[in-house]
Amino acid sequence: GAVVSQHPSRVICKSGTSVKIECRSLDFQATTMFWYRQFPKQSLMLMATSNEGSKATYEQGVEKDKFLINHASLTLSTLTVTSAHPEDSSFYICSAGTSGLMETQYFGPGTRLLVL
Amino acid sequence: AQTVTQSQPEMSVQEAETVTLSCTYDTSENNYYLFWYKQPPSRQMILVIRQEAYKQQNATENRFSVNFQKAAKSFSLKISDSQLGDTAMYFCAFTNSGGGADGLTFGKGTHLIIQP
Repeated sequence: GAVVSQHPSRVICKSGTSVKIECRSLDFQATTMFWYRQFPKQSLMLMATSNEGSKATYEQGVEKDKFLINHASLTLSTLTVTSAHPEDSSFYICSAGTSGLMETQYFGPGTRLLVL
Repeated sequence: AQTVTQSQPEMSVQEAETVTLSCTYDTSENNYYLFWYKQPPSRQMILVIRQEAYKQQNATENRFSVNFQKAAKSFSLKISDSQLGDTAMYFCAFTNSGGGADGLTFGKGTHLIIQP
């Protein structure tokens, strides 16, 4: 099956610093990549959608200047949380979409961010 | 906007029993896709089953099957011969595309516990 990796798996940072999270599709080229956020005991909420070489599309209420997304290639997308604050602490999950007959979305293992 | 509702926050059944998780959704689209994802304690999202709205036949994957009622906008998941490894959060999800091009809208999830 399709494999998506995320790095780092967990990160602790001080308030005011920036954190970069990488999402890679390891054995396929993703037409689109997605970033979700999951608070404890809650569901996943879509933050943004990105296509290679294009600007990301952000969901309503998501600050694009705070959550910078770069989709450098068909296998790599990065999410940078700028000037992180404690309220940004969450579980961030990326997914990569495939096209074709079995078009679907495969998820990375997630990154736990804790901002002190 | 599409919404997905899972009305069962938690369910508990004995091993080997059959359990059904409910999901309803709301959309004005005629063609769309529905999914069930499993999230075990590791928090890795795992695709359980996928259903295209234009297909009348209910999707099945081994012990997992769905009851898709398009007119009622209902999409329940049946797990037969439940196993301890089925213990997890289960999320129902919706998208307009096959899943590769558009982000997913998730329900709040059902915590399924399989008792030995």
